[in-house]
Amino acid sequence: GEDVEQSLFLSVREGDSSVINCTYTDSSSTYLYWYKQEPGAGLQLLTYIFSNMDMKQDQRLTVLLNKKDKHLSLRIADTQTGDSAIYFCAESATGNQFYFGTGTSLTVIP
Amino acid sequence: EAQVTQNPRYLITVTGKKLTVTCSQNMNHEYMSWYRQDPGLGLRQIYYSMNVEVTDKGDVPEGYKVSRKEKRNFPLILESPSPNQTSLYFCASSLTGGPLYFGPGTRLLVL
Repeated sequence: GEDVEQSLFLSVREGDSSVINCTYTDSSSTYLYWYKQEPGAGLQLLTYIFSNMDMKQDQRLTVLLNKKDKHLSLRIADTQTGDSAIYFCAESATGNQFYFGTGTSLTVIP
Repeated sequence: EAQVTQNPRYLITVTGKKLTVTCSQNMNHEYMSWYRQDPGLGLRQIYYSMNVEVTDKGDVPEGYKVSRKEKRNFPLILESPSPNQTSLYFCASSLTGGPLYFGPGTRLLVL
């Protein structure tokens, strides 16, 4: 399958911005997603971006896509303790098969 | 409420004893799929289904079976479970080409 890579851990102070990075190998990726997983729960869709977009903003969330470098990032503004979770990047070229990164565990320090 | 449900949520079984994990969605989604989540490996796709009676293998299908006889249901069958199938399993559904919506997960321990 395709490779999707993320760093495993990120710590930030409450009120700061968090930036979670993701790289992928599939140059034909059409859809790119960010999911959040809280302890003991399933994955919750946060936001997604199509490959013909560079940026998408949704309240405190900003997604940036650099298609040339195959790099996706998720910025969370004014990070709160409730944002502590595992964040997964995922990509799909066809909408049939989805490839997920290993997840980034975000810890927000009060 | 629009949702994907899975049962059971927790299951302990022994090697070789057939089991089925059910998945149901009430959103009239055509697409359904199963994933397993293992530490350090993220989520890996087991099987997916584009519609009723249409299923295909994902990246890790060995040891699993699925069926899609009705649009809303997509059960995962382990005919002869082994300890390496101990994992956290997620079912997901979507409109074709749309984002996935996940169930709450089923934690399976095979002794």
